[in-house]
Amino acid sequence: DGGITQSPKYLFRKEGQNVTLSCEQNLNHDAMYWYRQDPGQGLRLIYYSQIVNDFQKGDIAEGYSVSREKKESFPLTVTSAQKNPTAFYLCASPLGQGPGNTIYFGEGSWLTVV
Amino acid sequence: AQTVTQSQPEMSVQEAETVTLSCTYDTSESDYYLFWYKQPPSRQMILVIRQEAYKQQNATENRFSVNFQKAAKSFSLKISDSQLGDAAMYFCASPNYGQNFVFGPGTRLSVLP
Repeated sequence: DGGITQSPKYLFRKEGQNVTLSCEQNLNHDAMYWYRQDPGQGLRLIYYSQIVNDFQKGDIAEGYSVSREKKESFPLTVTSAQKNPTAFYLCASPLGQGPGNTIYFGEGSWLTVV
Repeated sequence: AQTVTQSQPEMSVQEAETVTLSCTYDTSESDYYLFWYKQPPSRQMILVIRQEAYKQQNATENRFSVNFQKAAKSFSLKISDSQLGDAAMYFCASPNYGQNFVFGPGTRLSVLP
């Protein structure tokens, strides 16, 4: 079945460490997004990519980095510069570029700093 | 900039009753869509319903319907015959054309047996 796969589901990070969250899609979509969700809060955009080898900062990009070397993959690295990384992270991808396209989501990854 | 506002952080409804969740938005686009997503405790985001702005008829999906007031930039979600499985966070969303999706802060809906 087509979809978006995020891994790992749960990740623990020690302070000062970089960690990478994986996001893979087999939907053949061009665009991919990363959102952060804090408990009881909405979704805030970290980074987005409209096409391979191109990506843009979202509203809360500081302390994060991404790459888009392949259409299927959009990994998110949480660097040590991100001071409060404990949150739920969602990867998403819209069906197309038009304004009416449904956005598909992965199942999310929980990141906890220990 | 595109903004989406949900003024009700929490709502509750009795099972089998009807509840309406509010959403207002701001956009400079002339052609746009609006979406409601549901996030149950599993955290999986599920599309509930979407509305095309140029269509005057309100969208309906089974027990879910919207009241779309374009001039007022209002997009409320009505859930009829509420069920226990409807308990979730509900997010109103609007695509920021050509860039990304903008989500409201969410409304947590509790369904009381």
